[in-house]
Order: sequence, then C-alpha cells, then structure tokens
Amino acid sequence: ETGVTQTPRHLVMGMTNKKSLKCEQHLGHNAMYWYKQSAKKPLELMFVYNFKEQTENNSVPSRFSPECPNSSHLFLHLHTLQPEDSALYLCASSQESTGQGNQPQHFGDGTRLSIL
Amino acid sequence: SQKIEQNSEALNIQEGKTATLTCNYTNYSPAYLQWYRQDPGRGPVFLLLIRENEKEKRKERLKVTFDTTLKQSLFHITASQPADSATYLCALGGSARQLTFGSGTQLTVLP
Repeated sequence: ETGVTQTPRHLVMGMTNKKSLKCEQHLGHNAMYWYKQSAKKPLELMFVYNFKEQTENNSVPSRFSPECPNSSHLFLHLHTLQPEDSALYLCASSQESTGQGNQPQHFGDGTRLSIL
Repeated sequence: SQKIEQNSEALNIQEGKTATLTCNYTNYSPAYLQWYRQDPGRGPVFLLLIRENEKEKRKERLKVTFDTTLKQSLFHITASQPADSATYLCALGGSARQLTFGSGTQLTVLP
C-alpha cells in the first residue's frame, strides 16, 4: 500500500471516447503530479499541482485535461486521444515546503491506457 | 538540453555480489538526486535522496554517491539478492518541484 491509489488500473478506449483517470492520496501531501511512462523511455512529467493550483504544464496536448478539486484528489480527463498516447499514466504526491522540491515522491501503481 | 544516462538497459549479476548502477548527466546542475525502484506493473518506490553537498548516503545494503564534478551518481547494492531484481531509476531535481528521470536500469540478480 503506497498511500496513493489510482483507478482504473487498466483502460482501453477508442480515439473518440472520453474517459477520466482518478488519483487519490492518503498521505496529507500538498503537491500532486501526473506522469506518462512509455516503454523504454523516461518518465515524462505532465502536470504539477501544489495546494490545488496548477504550477506546471509541460507542453501537454489539450486532449489531456487535469483537474485538482482538493489536495487529496487529482483527475486526468481524456478525449480524442491518439494511439501514441497508449502508456502507463502514473500519479504521485509529495510534501513540499518553502519552494524547495527536494522531497521524495510517492507514486501510485498507474493506469495502463490503451488507445484503439 | 538536459540529458540523463543510466548505464546499460539491463544488468545481470550473481547473488551475493555488489551491484553498481550508474547515472550520468549533462547540461544540468542538480541540487539533489533521488533513486527509485520500480517493479513490473507497479509505480516507482523512493529509495534514497542525496544532496549536492553530500558525497555519500547509506541505507542498509544501499549506498549512493554523488560527484558533481564528474556529473555522476553511483548506486550500490551490496550482498545482492534475487529480491533486488527490479528496474532502478535515478532522478535529478533543482529548486523547482520537477524531477527529471533517467530511463532506468533493469537489474537481475541470479541465484
């Protein structure tokens, strides 16, 4: 049990579908992250939220839309995805303070997304 | 652009030996470096953090070194066990909250 729960674990969707990924952290952390992990490639940071405010958006296409209603929950809304978006999507959280991002990140086990 | 290289995609060693994994970086001046372990079908799990002003960190059978002159970190697992088999990721960070990850080294400890 990592303290970060992601649902669903697996998702298969067509390119015209709309779906959402959910992440919940039970660690009392104030920062949450979305990463994309493709085979043989490094984790790619997509979005960062701190105290529910989005602080980073690493040039992610608009077909990915994040939502952070509170510091414990994070969503990634998906629509009109492309086959190259098939990957493992990981959520993480950390406790950050004084602008120093040197705290360990706690990851969920991800959602394996397949686009048909 | 920033670049992180982890030695060989895969590393096989015999049980009981010391595994040494390498993380090299260019065009980056990280304030700290972290190592994570990732098992198949699971998210990464944090192992160790070392700051730029620290030369070495230890935790049980794990040891990390950080050489900012060589722009390199070494990750050692002593007395390795088959249960240590996993993919190990290094990640570099600065004052921002972003971590930049390497693509990982898959370690297999053979019984």
